[in-house]
Amino acid sequence: QKEVEQNSGPLSVPEGAIASLNCTYSDRGSQSFFWYRQYSGKSPELIMFIYSNGDKEDGRFTAQLNKASQYVSLLIRDSQPSDSATYLCAVNFSLDSSYKLIFGSGTRLLVRP
Amino acid sequence: DVKVTQSSRYLVKRTGEKVFLECVQDMDHENMFWYRQDPGLGLRLIYFSYDVKMKEKGDIPEGYSVSREKKERFSLILESASTNQTSMYLCASSLAGDEQFFGPGTRLTVL
Repeated sequence: QKEVEQNSGPLSVPEGAIASLNCTYSDRGSQSFFWYRQYSGKSPELIMFIYSNGDKEDGRFTAQLNKASQYVSLLIRDSQPSDSATYLCAVNFSLDSSYKLIFGSGTRLLVRP
Repeated sequence: DVKVTQSSRYLVKRTGEKVFLECVQDMDHENMFWYRQDPGLGLRLIYFSYDVKMKEKGDIPEGYSVSREKKERFSLILESASTNQTSMYLCASSLAGDEQFFGPGTRLTVL
């Protein structure tokens, strides 16, 4: 069973704080990992992807991947109220050649002004 | 930028009607996907296609069919709409194993 697990939240942080969003996945051989942001009533938009162990930074966002622990996280520095959204983790499972992504159910983030 | 468009943002249909949802992408992507998204259930894959005229069932294909006659267009068909098909429908496209890009979504209500 291919699974991607996320805490549904809500995760509430004050403006300016670091928000840490976590995701675990079941397939040790997975190669590609994506973070999407979804505002209420809108479609998901890609904000980060990561393929290698370690950290990948893009502006205020940092994706962290630990394949040994089957764990991927997203850090948002200097959180803003506009970051309030649901964040979806998605994983491409290694044995699936059809390029499907398995999505977690998402973590709702609330940034308090 | 990749652009994925869907034919309608909001759609209201009656039980038993045949419903067509259209999706078009402009970046020559091989792969196209149809999902539905419901509160508490996340994104669930209905069907996907990795080439023209090719299709594969996703996790919840029952009650749906698809058509891909041209590379840029992927259609989702509800043969006989039912109230439990009321949902947000999202189309996405991707190049090989890369990230998927989503359209704006169609919120379908079946009365």
